[in-house]
Amino acid sequence: DAGVTQSPTHLIKTRGQQVTLRCSPISGHKSVSWYQQVLGQGPQFIFQYYEKEERGRGNFPDRFSARQFPNYSSELNVNALLLGDSALYLCASSFRDRLGDIQYFGAGTRLSVL
Amino acid sequence: AQSVTQLDSQVPVFEEAPVELRCNYSSSVSVYLFWYVQYPNQGLQLLLKYLSGSTLVKGINGFEAEFNKSQTSFHLRKPSVHISDTAEYFCAVSFSGGYNKLIFGAGTRLAVHP
Repeated sequence: DAGVTQSPTHLIKTRGQQVTLRCSPISGHKSVSWYQQVLGQGPQFIFQYYEKEERGRGNFPDRFSARQFPNYSSELNVNALLLGDSALYLCASSFRDRLGDIQYFGAGTRLSVL
Repeated sequence: AQSVTQLDSQVPVFEEAPVELRCNYSSSVSVYLFWYVQYPNQGLQLLLKYLSGSTLVKGINGFEAEFNKSQTSFHLRKPSVHISDTAEYFCAVSFSGGYNKLIFGAGTRLAVHP
């Protein structure tokens, strides 16, 4: 079975530009979450979507936005890029175990802002 | 506020030796606990999880972890490590109820030497 797939794998942008990252969840998973991992740190939660609705948002500026499509795939958009947005962006899809969500991660998109 | 602390940023160990990676969390509500592993230039792979039941949890690649509610800890152990275990290990917590976002620790770099 295919895991979580993210595209592109690498991306180079300049300050002020806009970027769109894409994620396809594992088949049957209806929830997608996005995380930002800055070099040398643990991932930080950005968004979670379930059935196309935003369920939660982390402490990120409004330059960050996301959406989920009817096929449960998702896009993360970042406007007006800053140097500090350089990071590995991870997408996770999840299903609900009888007790809680189990999140499975893709390989990530590495964004470099110059 | 909920948080996760990984007490060691780096753990060097010789091949075939035992290892323990420490994780403590703070929370006023019930938690779910996870360990993920990240190999260089890759995403996160789920090693093991604690949702309820037995406090000793076994995962993939010979790893296990023990949930200690009184000490708010979830330490990861392996009785005999291999060179291939060299990676970054992240402890994460989510909270029962709500939308189950993951809060990660800063990570522990496990370096296995021959």
